[in-house]
Amino acid sequence: DQQVKQNSPSLSVQEGRISILNCDYTNSMFDYFLWYKKYPAEGPTFLISISSIKDKNEDGRFTVFLNKSAKHLSLHIVPSQPGDSAVYFCAEAGSGYALNFGKGTSLLVTP
Amino acid sequence: DTAVSQTPKYLVTQMGNDKSIKCEQNLGHDTMYWYKQDSKKFLKIMFSYNNKELIINETVPNRFSPKSPDKAHLNLHINSLELGDSAVYFCASSQVEQGAQRGYGYTFGSGTRLTVV
Repeated sequence: DQQVKQNSPSLSVQEGRISILNCDYTNSMFDYFLWYKKYPAEGPTFLISISSIKDKNEDGRFTVFLNKSAKHLSLHIVPSQPGDSAVYFCAEAGSGYALNFGKGTSLLVTP
Repeated sequence: DTAVSQTPKYLVTQMGNDKSIKCEQNLGHDTMYWYKQDSKKFLKIMFSYNNKELIINETVPNRFSPKSPDKAHLNLHINSLELGDSAVYFCASSQVEQGAQRGYGYTFGSGTRLTVV
């Protein structure tokens, strides 16, 4: 069973606008949620994380929001840039140091 | 210098063959992983080794056998390859004290695309 779900396989946004990527999870016991970014032919790279005791974490143009009651988190990118075009994976830090990933959302930022 | 390197980058082979994918990290990390990204793009943990000791072994056919000769290497050997094994396999490493349990200490390799024909 997939514990982390990204229901939008793709998203297209104009440069300069806000990109919002969404993620839902099923297990309330998760401690940390993370976003990883992946370019074609490369491995995923860490982008931003949030602890379950917080509801927001910001790093430059990237902000992650956590809504525990809805078991939902979202990644906001403002302003979006063409270089942000990539696949974004939501993940939770599971047992044994493993990461449980969602299926990813492919973001395309158009000029 | 590549932090986590996998070889080969591409591997095309026939059903029934045995193949290996090698992974090396030069970060001094104590934990290494194998992930599989299937055709549906789902990235899933297969194995995890901490200081050469197996700590995660997900529901993976026993045709897949990881081998960690030392802390810097985690190789993946696959016997009797099947069509369904076609996927991209990612190696990764982390260091627990750097927050691996929180997920942001991970470094991934660039992946090995395995195609079984």
